Amino acid sequence: GAGVSQSPRYKVAKRGQDVALRCDPISGHVSLFWYQQALGQGPEFLTYFQNEAQLDKSGLPSDRFFAERPEGSVSTLKIQRTQQEDSAVYLCASSFLRLATETQYFGPGTRLLVL
Amino acid sequence: SQQGEEDPQALSIQEGENATMNCSYKTSINNLQWYRQNSGRGLVHLILIRSNEREKHSGRLRVTLDTSKKSSSLLITASRAADTASYFCATGGTSGSRLTFGEGTQLTVNP
Repeated sequence: GAGVSQSPRYKVAKRGQDVALRCDPISGHVSLFWYQQALGQGPEFLTYFQNEAQLDKSGLPSDRFFAERPEGSVSTLKIQRTQQEDSAVYLCASSFLRLATETQYFGPGTRLLVL
Repeated sequence: SQQGEEDPQALSIQEGENATMNCSYKTSINNLQWYRQNSGRGLVHLILIRSNEREKHSGRLRVTLDTSKKSSSLLITASRAADTASYFCATGGTSGSRLTFGEGTQLTVNP
């Protein structure tokens, strides 16, 4: 594919429901990032993978958030027992470099609404 | 927490005018990047400037970096209606662990 893809694009969940958000990075990109973006705000870092290794998960807001990238390509961000404050756009980005601070290529995001 | 702070929060100009957005940050950086986000879309990388660079150009974009003042500016010359978007600065810290984004400037270019 030409760019980073994310699915679903929109997700409505009832409070307490579990959700899984998928990210397909650009082929060959080593690094993968998840961000949370609240309305009118900049993206907030959640977690970072280099291949299948999760090198930094310090941005995950609670233990209800879990991310994986088992084969070093596709990644899934799972949110358990969703709360209304989890409503946001979840952005995935990838980079062909191993450094976490170089140019990142973003997907369109998944807009999550928790009712 | 946000390291970068963009100024102004919102900017409205006429097509053909220049738009200047500023970003301030607090800690030491390896690089500073600018991204654009159209409504409902992901972020698009515009330009990266490294800590040992003072100015960089890309098409109608000009970025400056002043590490002594911990600030950067993005200038868009001869703006177009299609430039209407939110613009974010992001800093790559010396610890190398992540990019930290500011809260963005909403630019509106009126035709």
